Amino acid sequence: GESVGLHLPTLSVQEGDNSIINCAYSNSASDYFIWYKQESGKGPQFIIDIRSNMDKRQGQRVTVLLNKTVKHLSLQIAATQPGDSAVYFCAETMGNDYKLSFGAGTTVTVRA
Amino acid sequence: NAGVMQNPRHLVRRRGQEARLRCSPMKGHSHVYWYRQLPEEGLKFMVYLQKENIIDESGMPKERFSAEFPKEGPSILRIQQVVRGDSAAYFCASSPPGSPLHFGNGTRLTVT
Repeated sequence: GESVGLHLPTLSVQEGDNSIINCAYSNSASDYFIWYKQESGKGPQFIIDIRSNMDKRQGQRVTVLLNKTVKHLSLQIAATQPGDSAVYFCAETMGNDYKLSFGAGTTVTVRA
Repeated sequence: NAGVMQNPRHLVRRRGQEARLRCSPMKGHSHVYWYRQLPEEGLKFMVYLQKENIIDESGMPKERFSAEFPKEGPSILRIQQVVRGDSAAYFCASSPPGSPLHFGNGTRLTVT
């Protein structure tokens, strides 16, 4: 499953498939980007980050891609599991690591 | 390791009352950050504190809101004379400098 375009608020994906969550960020001067996962009733949980001097970074089952030319960030989740159901936020910042600007979020629902 | 601890988890106040939200950072962290999340939105930065110092309060509303992080004890976010628009989830985060923010599970404030 893939959220296309600038932003879709929801994404439904079959268990075991790969997910792609897209994010268009706003500030061309941003140099640090983070993906967070937020489950219902909980705080945001760090997934993966990337700095502007990179265009790809991989973690466990997740990959973040950064395209600075079009100000686009994506999160790929391999072999999506029911526990991946959550709201996913991209966040950006410029010059410091704490003053994050969050996007509106994409709700991912994993179908069994 | 205990994570970022926030209390209370839920807080109900009538209009005009005061709300006090508490945050204890992760062990060994001396930097605390407060964010606010309105319903179905991303988080917005409010304030960054170190022990006994406010480092950046550029996201704090000019009136009724204050924050402190005393030498001993938790960080406190204080909202005086609450209004319905203050209803939100308030998240605290901590981190060593240069590391991603780790968020607590938040305090959900409801103003009736």
